[in-house]
Amino acid sequence: NAGVTQTPKFRVLKTGQSMTLLCAQDMNHEYMYWYRQDPGMGLRLIHYSVGEGTTAKGEVPDGYNVSRLKKQNFLLGLESAAPSQTSVYFCASSSRDRRYNEQFFGPGTRLTVL
Amino acid sequence: DQQVKQNSPSLSVQEGRISILNCDYTNSMFDYFLWYKKYPAEGPTFLISISSIKDKNEDGRFTVFLNKSAKHLSLHIVPSQPGDSAVYFCAARVGAGGTSYGKLTFGQGTILTVHP
Repeated sequence: NAGVTQTPKFRVLKTGQSMTLLCAQDMNHEYMYWYRQDPGMGLRLIHYSVGEGTTAKGEVPDGYNVSRLKKQNFLLGLESAAPSQTSVYFCASSSRDRRYNEQFFGPGTRLTVL
Repeated sequence: DQQVKQNSPSLSVQEGRISILNCDYTNSMFDYFLWYKKYPAEGPTFLISISSIKDKNEDGRFTVFLNKSAKHLSLHIVPSQPGDSAVYFCAARVGAGGTSYGKLTFGQGTILTVHP
């Protein structure tokens, strides 16, 4: 039981390049989330998904796209990276059952855009 | 508009003493509050939580207090240990409803350092 995994762990991009971050969870969770963490800003929600084939915008969605083709996977894409997207990205998942309120986080991806 | 605020960026305490981390919120629709702990180069891990219908929840060395009238919660760690040194985030969830989808709003985090 690996929980939430993220690929890659580190990446350096040049401005204008594109990339996809992969998140996978093996807990059969319905809900999945992408956050970015910046110094002094806490974790801010980028996009989230409430089920396979559905996605929605979070607090800071601009410059990102997401897809959830399979229940266990949630992809975050940057079509044209900008230095402002330098950050640490975390994926999380949670159960739809409101008795279980916590989100489970992956280890993060550190992205630098030059 | 920061709905969840942790006004102390850092806190330093001596091993064995009490650590008190504070969190304020503005949204009265929040019904559930959580504390997460984060070590460097790792993802946040759930620590303890409290429902808005309670004012205290205890789990071993960790106790969370909720003061709804003041819109304030705090995390007490007693006794503090060097292994508790980490970043602590408080988070809040909007109450029952069709569109909350488990989304959490996080504070900025407080760096706790426990000295031996």
